[in-house]
Amino acid sequence: DGGITQSPKYLFRKEGQNVTLSCEQNLNHDAMYWYRQDPGQGLRLIYYSQIVNDFQKGDIAEGYSVSREKKESFPLTVTSAQKNPTAFYLCASSIGPENTEAFFGQGTRLTVV
Amino acid sequence: GDSVTQMEGPVTLSEEAFLTINCTYTATGYPSLFWYVQYPGEGLQLLLKATKADDKGSNKGFEATYRKETTSFHLEKGSVQVSDSAVYFCALISSGSARQLTFGSGTQLTVLP
Repeated sequence: DGGITQSPKYLFRKEGQNVTLSCEQNLNHDAMYWYRQDPGQGLRLIYYSQIVNDFQKGDIAEGYSVSREKKESFPLTVTSAQKNPTAFYLCASSIGPENTEAFFGQGTRLTVV
Repeated sequence: GDSVTQMEGPVTLSEEAFLTINCTYTATGYPSLFWYVQYPGEGLQLLLKATKADDKGSNKGFEATYRKETTSFHLEKGSVQVSDSAVYFCALISSGSARQLTFGSGTQLTVLP
């Protein structure tokens, strides 16, 4: 079945450590996105990529980094510079930047301990 | 910039009750409008969409009509079920948002048997 896979589902990190969240899609979509979700708030865009080897900052990119070396993969690194990293992270993809339907992964819940 | 305002939650209804979740928006040009649903611990799924004024999106008994004159896209269902319990997000995409999804803050719906 085609879809988006995020791993792991739960992740614990010690303060001061970097951690990478995985996002893989087999939908042959060009565009991929990372969102952060906090309780009682909508989704906020961290980074997005419209094509391989290219990505742009979203609304809250500080303390995060991404890469897009392959079409199907868009990993997100939460660095030690991110002041409040505990959140639910969602990856999404769409056929292209002009396409209106986004498909979401199941999410990764990151907790800093 | 673009924005989406959703009805404050949480909303608690009895099974078979009528549901309305209000959504209004501010956007540049002519946005496309969406309702996404998030079940506990999962990612978002597209519930319905409308791409131009007076369009009605519908799916699984849910409906929403794109009202340009009132800049609204209210979600309705005539008879809710326990299985409809979830968080519902209104969203839009427009040229003003650089073709990225802008989400409302979400509305938690709980349906009691």
